[in-house]
Amino acid sequence: NAGVMQNPRHLVRRRGQEARLRCSPMKGHSHVYWYRQLPEEGLKFMVYLQKENIIDESGMPKERFSAEFPKEGPSILRIQQVVRGDSAAYFCASSDFTDTQYFGPGTRLTVL
Amino acid sequence: DQQVKQNSPSLSVQEGRISILNCDYTNSMFDYFLWYKKYPAEGPTFLISISSIKDKNEDGRFTVFLNKSAKHLSLHIVPSQPGDSAVYFCAADTGNQFYFGTGTSLTVIP
Repeated sequence: NAGVMQNPRHLVRRRGQEARLRCSPMKGHSHVYWYRQLPEEGLKFMVYLQKENIIDESGMPKERFSAEFPKEGPSILRIQQVVRGDSAAYFCASSDFTDTQYFGPGTRLTVL
Repeated sequence: DQQVKQNSPSLSVQEGRISILNCDYTNSMFDYFLWYKKYPAEGPTFLISISSIKDKNEDGRFTVFLNKSAKHLSLHIVPSQPGDSAVYFCAADTGNQFYFGTGTSLTVIP
């Protein structure tokens, strides 16, 4: 049973470009969570999704950030018009009906 | 607003001795707590969890203690091994989202 997959592992963007981060949950998991880790900080919750639904996006910046988890395919975290402050490690986690979340390896976004 | 705090950014322990990592929280609505271990350039790996109805949970060398009145939990690793060297995050669950501490970097000295 493959774990949570994230791609790309590293992403470099120039200011103003768009960044798309993908997350494939573990097989059988229908809950996906996105977290951001800034240097010297812990993981900060961004958004919680189930298939085709956003359940909680209270941690997501109101502008430029969006997330989706379609019926088919991976969950996507999209950052439009990236700025240097968006540089961070973005982790996705998935869970089934239990409370334990399993994390992917992360995508390291660098904005030049 | 840091609802989950790990006040020790780093800890060094001799191999074979006990490692104790501490975590404090402020929200009494948290009902489930977890510890994750993280190596550089990897995602966090689930280690052990505890429900708020318990005060102790043990899994091999790892034991988590929960003191609800003090809003404090701790992770004990005994005996500590060099492979335990990593950053340890505690997390608290409200049901919808996890709140993570800032992590404690554990170094186990051979």
